[in-house]
Amino acid sequence: DAGVIQSPRHEVTEMGQEVTLRCKPISGHDYLFWYRQTMMRGLELLIYFNNNVPIDDSGMPEDRFSAKMPNASFSTLKIQPSEPRDSAVYFCASSPGTNTEAFFGQGTRLTVV
Amino acid sequence: SQQGEEDPQALSIQEGENATMNCSYKTSINNLQWYRQNSGRGLVHLILIRSNEREKHSGRLRVTLDTSKKSSSLLITASRAADTASYFCATDKGTALIFGKGTTLSVSS
Repeated sequence: DAGVIQSPRHEVTEMGQEVTLRCKPISGHDYLFWYRQTMMRGLELLIYFNNNVPIDDSGMPEDRFSAKMPNASFSTLKIQPSEPRDSAVYFCASSPGTNTEAFFGQGTRLTVV
Repeated sequence: SQQGEEDPQALSIQEGENATMNCSYKTSINNLQWYRQNSGRGLVHLILIRSNEREKHSGRLRVTLDTSKKSSSLLITASRAADTASYFCATDKGTALIFGKGTTLSVSS
């Protein structure tokens, strides 16, 4: 398996634009997580899914953020409209079950100017 | 919000020395995990220790867990330049993992 795949690796966008980040989890993994990493706040859990169903989205900062998982092999994190303070590295991770290790993608570095 | 907090924030050592990082957390856990992150990369799982375990080894890594003190430590023995990275502890919040801000380890040759 190629591991968790995220795209794009880098995204630069202007304030106010819509941004869509994509993630392909490892096949067979039932859990998918979205994290955001900044110097100030470290790694923050945004939302996670179990079997494509959102379980906990309490970490999503604002209504501008939304996430979907239409099937077991694909998830998106959308920011609309984007703001400069959204600039961060966004990670997707998947795991096969509870109390197990998580496998991380390489991240998407988002810069909003 | 962070559940775990690593200490120290930064650590610089010479190759061959041992590196010890500590993690403190606030609520009860099922397990605690340690991850490594190289610059510009994703996190990589190192080791998982369950709440009923006190110590675990994996190669040059030794992890301890003290649930009474809500703390864990990661020891890297005989460090190498390739160990230069950030190290994070993660505790479980239900199914999800909550990470601390990490310890940045620099190993110079």
